Amino acid sequence: DQQVKQNSPSLSVQEGRISILNCDYTNSMFDYFLWYKKYPAEGPTFLISISSIKDKNEDGRFTVFLNKSAKHLSLHIVPSQPGDSAVYFCAASARGGGADGLTFGKGTHLIIQP
Amino acid sequence: KAGVTQTPRYLIKTRGQQVTLSCSPISGHRSVSWYQQTPGQGLQFLFEYFSETQRNKGNFPGRFSGRQFSNSRSEMNVSTLELGDSALYLCASSLALAVHNEQFFGPGTRLTVL
Repeated sequence: DQQVKQNSPSLSVQEGRISILNCDYTNSMFDYFLWYKKYPAEGPTFLISISSIKDKNEDGRFTVFLNKSAKHLSLHIVPSQPGDSAVYFCAASARGGGADGLTFGKGTHLIIQP
Repeated sequence: KAGVTQTPRYLIKTRGQQVTLSCSPISGHRSVSWYQQTPGQGLQFLFEYFSETQRNKGNFPGRFSGRQFSNSRSEMNVSTLELGDSALYLCASSLALAVHNEQFFGPGTRLTVL
């Protein structure tokens, strides 16, 4: 049973427009959520996170929104740049207990078109 | 500060063999987690070691094992290799338990089982 789901394996967006990556989770014990970015031949790098006590966290061009009632989070990238082309992983953890380690989604491959 | 290093970067083995992968965490980090990344399953948590003890374990068979040394370096072993074990194996380190701390990933070891 996949507890963190990224239903779009890939997403193509024009440079300068907004990229929206979505993530759904099923485990109600998750209380901390992270987005990682991964380039080929490199390990994932941390991008942005959000605690369940918040519904929005912003860092430059990146904003993460959390809708706890819908068990849904999204990552917005505005404006999208060519260097944003990568695989994005959504991850969740239960800092209050109830789940082991970090649970990752399968990733969404974002392609920024010039 | 040097990042997480993993050796070897690439490995080719045949079915039935065993393999040992190595991970050196960022200096000062005491937790090391291992993940398996495959195209179909995304990033799956294998186990986490903290202070030389396995603290968390994912849903993998007993053929997958690991250990951590007093200097926090970690090794992962896979015995009786199967074709399905072909994957990118990622190691991540954090100051303390990953559920409460940001993880930093290494570049991974690409294992191919023939």
